[in-house]
Formats: sequence, structure tokens, C-alpha cells
Amino acid sequence: GQSLEQPSEVTAVEGAIVQINCTYQTSGFYGLSWYQQHDGGAPTFLSYNALDGLEETGRFSSFLSRSDSYGYLLLQELQMKDSASYFCAVSRGGNTPLVFGKGTRLSVIA
Amino acid sequence: NAGVTQTPKFQVLKTGQSMTLQCAQDMNHNSMYWYRQDPGMGLRLIYYSASEGTTDKGEVPNGYNVSRLNKREFSLRLESAAPSQTSVYFCASSQDRGRQPQHFGDGTRLSIL
Repeated sequence: GQSLEQPSEVTAVEGAIVQINCTYQTSGFYGLSWYQQHDGGAPTFLSYNALDGLEETGRFSSFLSRSDSYGYLLLQELQMKDSASYFCAVSRGGNTPLVFGKGTRLSVIA
Repeated sequence: NAGVTQTPKFQVLKTGQSMTLQCAQDMNHNSMYWYRQDPGMGLRLIYYSASEGTTDKGEVPNGYNVSRLNKREFSLRLESAAPSQTSVYFCASSQDRGRQPQHFGDGTRLSIL
């Protein structure tokens, strides 16, 4: 089967940095994506890593290590509006759809 | 710029009733998906369609049917609703099934009494 593991909850202070980890075990791997979902809203795409290393987009960065089957999402200069659920998802290539993790609920506190 | 549009946004059904959830996308995407989301369970794939005329089962297809009416539209039908199908349903689309990001609709909140 396919499995993605990420922490269920993380709490961090406004202005700080937080890292959300994702380890995966899937048959086939093309890349790792991250999605953000605010309460009552729809998931929205944040980033995609196909190669090892760090990808930076503003305050958000995403990292991938294919050899370790591991990735993380790094959020810097946390703001209250970053309070949301974050999902990692694996692309397995071929004709297979994404596999999503169960999500990490991030709470940013003052 | 609508993206992915789902109707209805909210619905309450009685056990045994049938219902079709509608989804349309205007991005000319090939692939479309239906997910359900329950607390603590993340997004679980019900059915997907790689292209017009094809559909495949996902992780939790029992109790559901789908129709890819054309490239734009992908509907989800509950033939005989059960309380276990109370959930938030999301439709999504992407250019292909692999590397391209998925774009989600706003969801349908379905309660079955």
C-alpha cells in the first residue's frame, strides 16, 4: 500500500519558523507536493519538488530527499493567517493519481 | 476566472435518497477527481477520470458512481445515501495525473440523516 506520515498537529509562535515533516512509502515516486487548507476552505497548491534540495517561494520553502523518502515544508516569519492544515502528497507517475497524507494542523499563536 | 465549480455547496438528505453532485472546470484540464474529507482522515479519493470517457476507482468507491459527461464536467452520484456518507466532498482537476498541481472546488457539505 501507499503511506505518507506527517504530524497531526503543530503549534508555533507568530514570527517564528516551523517545519512540517513528511515521510512516504509508496510504490513509485515522481515528486512531492504540498497543499494548504484553511478551515472551511478548499486545498490550494503550495509547492512541488521532483529533485532533491530546497525550493523557496517567498516565506515558504519545501525540501526533498529522495534517498530518505522524506520531505518537509518550512514556513518562516509565521503569521496568524498561516494557521491552517498542510497536506503532503506524492506523485507516483504513470497513470496514477496523487496520494495525500492525512494533514498537519498548524496553529500559530501570539 | 471560475476554476473548478461545485454545486450544490450544502445539502441535507434522508437515508436512502439519491443525489448527484456536479462539478465543472474551465481550465481545459484532462484529469478530474472526486474526494471526500472527514475529520482526521485527510483527503480520500473516491473516483477519478484521466480523460473524457474514462473513469477509475479510487480508495473509497463503494456507494458512489461517477460520470465524465465531457471534458469540463464530472459528476458524482449517491444512489442510496447512508449516514456514513456524511462528509465534505471536493472535486479537483489537473492537466494530468502526475506532476501538475490539482485545483480544487470549494466543496459540497453533505449531511445524511
